[in-house]
Amino acid sequence: ETGVTQTPRHLVMGMTNKKSLKCEQHLGHNAMYWYKQSAKKPLELMFVYSLEERVENNSVPSRFSPECPNSSHLFLHLHTLQPEDSALYLCASSLDSRAGELFFGEGSRLTVL
Amino acid sequence: RKEVEQDPGPFNVPEGATVAFNCTYSNSASQSFFWYRQDCRKEPKLLMSVYSSGNEDGRFTAQLNRASQYISLLIRDSKLSDSATYLCVVNRGDGNKLVFGAGTILRVKS
Repeated sequence: ETGVTQTPRHLVMGMTNKKSLKCEQHLGHNAMYWYKQSAKKPLELMFVYSLEERVENNSVPSRFSPECPNSSHLFLHLHTLQPEDSALYLCASSLDSRAGELFFGEGSRLTVL
Repeated sequence: RKEVEQDPGPFNVPEGATVAFNCTYSNSASQSFFWYRQDCRKEPKLLMSVYSSGNEDGRFTAQLNRASQYISLLIRDSKLSDSATYLCVVNRGDGNKLVFGAGTILRVKS
């Protein structure tokens, strides 16, 4: 059973919709991450939060907006997405932002129509 | 050139076989290295860290060659349950960012 939970597990949205992905970690970690995984491509790091402060924004389009209200929760707000944004979005946490072991959630599979 | 490169496979092997994967990385300043495993439609999970001296965990052996900038994973006596995608992961050392390879697919068949 994973210590990182993501909701929803599946999401279908139109290009004009606004939706949010939620991640919660129960491991007492201080760093949280959003990754994007597309078919046959490496995981792409999107955002890193350490102690609720964003420490990395990996040139992600502004239609993706992260929010980290506390060290246990991480959101990814989505608006006016494109079909090419369809992918698996994985949340992860680690003890701190320098730790080598990431604990991933099961992911939110997003389809943009 | 990709920062972390892996042969995508798939590697199709019979049960009991020994199989090896290699991974190359381009940034010579990279400091730490890992193998993650991702089952179909599941999240990645850490399989093992890779140390300079090489390390072994049961049927799995990981080795690092800094001079040639490659990492290997050897699986002995393959089991059906070893079927998965194996992700090579490198910590670049600049802000401690982890960079993932695209993964190597392993299929173990009876």
